[in-house]
Amino acid sequence: DAKTTQPPSMDCAEGRAANLPCNHSTISGNEYVYWYRQIHSQGPQYIIHGLKNNETNEMASLIITEDRKSSTLILPHATLRDTAVYYCIARRTGNQFYFGTGTSLTVIP
Amino acid sequence: GAVVSQHPSRVICKSGTSVKIECRSLDFQATTMFWYRQFPKQSLMLMATSNEGSKATYEQGVEKDKFLINHASLTLSTLTVTSAHPEDSSFYICSARVAPDGRFTNYGYTFGSGTRLTVV
Repeated sequence: DAKTTQPPSMDCAEGRAANLPCNHSTISGNEYVYWYRQIHSQGPQYIIHGLKNNETNEMASLIITEDRKSSTLILPHATLRDTAVYYCIARRTGNQFYFGTGTSLTVIP
Repeated sequence: GAVVSQHPSRVICKSGTSVKIECRSLDFQATTMFWYRQFPKQSLMLMATSNEGSKATYEQGVEKDKFLINHASLTLSTLTVTSAHPEDSSFYICSARVAPDGRFTNYGYTFGSGTRLTVV
């Protein structure tokens, strides 16, 4: 599976949109982009995934560039409970999930 | 939705003893479960894949004789840390190949809440 690169940390004001970038320049055509988050001392939580189209669910939106070399996870109205480490993973269906170092998002009141 | 229940949430044991961690799938059957380990301020590292009724598959560098995995039923996988030492102190997390809404999936996994192991 392709390696992903994320900034180590980000801050976001409460109520504003949080935009978390992820670079996956070597992604192959059959690899999906997944986003998970991990709140301190808990198990990871699935957020969203996509292949090439933009996706939206009740938690977030996923924007994937046309060349699929990068993506952005958008939390439209960040709350304090969104403070967590966010992991971007490129994965071929059926493979295991291998986690990188992620982005530590801090939502500031 | 699907729930992966992990027990205990915290355990402290003496060096040299063994500790068993249980991972149960509630309201669904899990033919495959995954075990991860996470050291403080580090990311999750996949340790092994647990398959019901067969031997677990371990990632490179993980000692299979030290981390015994048993998946004897479709709802229970266990990880036993044998002869634990302080360097085994970590956060252990299991996951199942099921979406949060309970459907079997290859697209998203559900994780347990983790077990904090401290070896003294």
